[in-house]
Amino acid sequence: QSALTQPPSVSGSPGQSVTISCTGTSSDVGSYNRVSWYQQPPGTAPKLMIYEVSNRPSGVPDRFSGSKSGNTASLTISGLQAEDEADYYCSSYTSSSTFVFGGGTKLTVL
Amino acid sequence: QLQLQESGPGLVKPSETLSLTCTVSGGSISSSSYYWGWIRQPPGKGLEWIGSIYYSGSTYYNPSLKSRVTISVDTSKNQFSLKLSSVTAADTAVYYCASVDGDYVAFDIWGQGTMVTVSS
Repeated sequence: QSALTQPPSVSGSPGQSVTISCTGTSSDVGSYNRVSWYQQPPGTAPKLMIYEVSNRPSGVPDRFSGSKSGNTASLTISGLQAEDEADYYCSSYTSSSTFVFGGGTKLTVL
Repeated sequence: QLQLQESGPGLVKPSETLSLTCTVSGGSISSSSYYWGWIRQPPGKGLEWIGSIYYSGSTYYNPSLKSRVTISVDTSKNQFSLKLSSVTAADTAVYYCASVDGDYVAFDIWGQGTMVTVSS
């Protein structure tokens, strides 16, 4: 299985919005609504931010939102804050009952 | 609230077997509400799913690692384990254990991670 495709980096100024894409195939992202997103600040373990494409766990700000169209999922962060600076990873369940992660996107808050 | 903690040697020699344990607290490893997984992250690189084990005992592995990986559960100790055989320097990474919520199929709780270096 191949890793999901994410842009290596995105950036935005405080208060702006950024969107991170995550492209897979009809065997993973396109087949299931089991897409999740994780935030990983440097030196820490990943934290679940979005599950099932667009749902937020308790405690995750509503500035974080997710969507999906076809084989591509997206994470949008609105009202950027300095604390949002981190690496972001998408993940999808697959038709083989396995999981696959994206390569990761580094978000820089300018 | 579930908590997970990885443990095991931080240094493994090439060709040997890497063995890690994840201790689960705050809940039962036999619960049907969760299953369990291992993920790794080489230095400076992205996350790689290694495998998962269900409460039924069924296991699923990353095809690229399948021939070398074994994941098992010890219900008496509320732990699950990872064994990766014939390691090379490419297996040097931070290894994370995580719980997978059975309903929404996402890695919701992560351990802090443990660094494993493969070197002679």
